[in-house]
Amino acid sequence: GAVVSQHPSWVICKSGTSVKIECRSLDFQATTMFWYRQFPKQSLMLMATSNEGSKATYEQGVEKDKFLINHASLTLSTLTVTSAHPEDSSFYICSASSATSSYEQYFGPGTRLTVT
Amino acid sequence: AQSVTQPDIHITVSEGASLELRCNYSYGATPYLFWYVQSPGQGLQLLLKYFSGDTLVQGIKGFEAEFKRSQSSFNLRKPSVHWSDAAEYFCAVAPNQGGKLIFGQGTELSVKP
Repeated sequence: GAVVSQHPSWVICKSGTSVKIECRSLDFQATTMFWYRQFPKQSLMLMATSNEGSKATYEQGVEKDKFLINHASLTLSTLTVTSAHPEDSSFYICSASSATSSYEQYFGPGTRLTVT
Repeated sequence: AQSVTQPDIHITVSEGASLELRCNYSYGATPYLFWYVQSPGQGLQLLLKYFSGDTLVQGIKGFEAEFKRSQSSFNLRKPSVHWSDAAEYFCAVAPNQGGKLIFGQGTELSVKP
C-alpha cells in the first residue's frame, strides 16, 4: 500500500510558540490530504481537508487561524499550530488520498504534540 | 447527522478464541463503511471496507465484517485471534468513496496468552 510519513513524530514546544508538522505521501501523488486530531483513548476527529493548490476546508469549531494548513504540492501538506497552548497538546494524524488510490485514505503514523 | 458507535471500549480475548467487535452507524442512505486498526507507532491501517454488493466482506489479516442494513451494523469478526492482533480498532463511515470519514470511539483489544 501507499506510504504516508509525518515529521516530527514527537515534538515539545513552549506555550506561545508555533510548531509545524509535515505530512508526506512518499510513493503517490495525493490530491487530497486530511488532518485529524486524536485525544488519548478517544476517536479521531477530522480537523480539515486540503486539496492541492487550494485553501483548506475546516470542520466546524476548528480555528483556521490557529491551525494553518498548507498543501502546496501533491506530496506535502503542513499543519502549523500557531501560538500553541497546553490545550493544543494532542496526537495529530494526517491522511492522503487520490483518484489513483480509489480515494482510499492512507494514514501517517501521527505526531505527538506536547505544549508546556 | 452521521455517527458511528462502538459499544465496547475494551475487549479481552484469549489467543485462539474468536472475536467480534461491534459497530453501529447512523446514516440516512447506505454509507461507505470501514474498519481500521491502529497499532502504537504506526498509522491506521485499513482492514476492510464495504461499499455495495456482498454484505460479507473479507479483509486482510483474516478479518471479515458483515453489513446488516436492518440492524445498522457492521461488526468485525475473526475466527481465531493472534497475540499480534492486540491493538485499537476503529469503525468508520463516509457518505461516499473519498468522503469525510466519521470514526467511532474505538475498541481496544487485548489478547491473553
